[in-house]
Amino acid sequence: RKEVEQDPGPFNVPEGATVAFNCTYSNSASQSFFWYRQDCRKEPKLLMSVYSSGNEDGRFTAQLNRASQYISLLIRDSKLSDSATYLCLLSGGYQKVTFGTGTKLQVIP
Amino acid sequence: DAGVIQSPRHEVTEMGQEVTLRCKPISGHNSLFWYRQTMMRGLELLIYFNNNVPIDDSGMPEDRFSAKMPNASFSTLKIQPSEPRDSAVYFCASSFGTSKETQYFGPGTRLLVL
Repeated sequence: RKEVEQDPGPFNVPEGATVAFNCTYSNSASQSFFWYRQDCRKEPKLLMSVYSSGNEDGRFTAQLNRASQYISLLIRDSKLSDSATYLCLLSGGYQKVTFGTGTKLQVIP
Repeated sequence: DAGVIQSPRHEVTEMGQEVTLRCKPISGHNSLFWYRQTMMRGLELLIYFNNNVPIDDSGMPEDRFSAKMPNASFSTLKIQPSEPRDSAVYFCASSFGTSKETQYFGPGTRLLVL
């Protein structure tokens, strides 16, 4: 099993739709979790950290499920500008730092 | 404040040549990461420094790759000799604290080895 797994997509969704991505991990010692966004030919940029109790930032909600070892990202009311690749990052467990391969989202007019 | 600075932004070289990529982390950050990104393998961690000391270099592909961090404001990633399969985007990122903290990425260096 890979350390971190993401569905590569693409997820093609209409504007205004709600879409959710998961990121599963195998290292139970992972301590910190993040979602990054990467636009085409650009560097990854932090979207949000993922806290144990779950957290929300506007249209974006991130959750952590330690028992099942996955994190999720929910995007409500999708905008065209949300089109990007979403990468999960796990770090801290035994000093390991691992990115998922990313999920591509395409929001369609 | 300036973000992470990488140079060069683009590099085209011939197989067998030495390539040196440079990174200046965000001032005050004490962790630095080198990543390689390809379509096939995604974003791979090559090496992680904390307080200028390499903590995890298990991702360094082979002896052709070497990384140094002589001081808190500068790091290099060297490939010698370069091969076509090294063609990728190389990102440098920095964070304040350990690997558990938020990383900030530079714009990357696009390397093409012919």
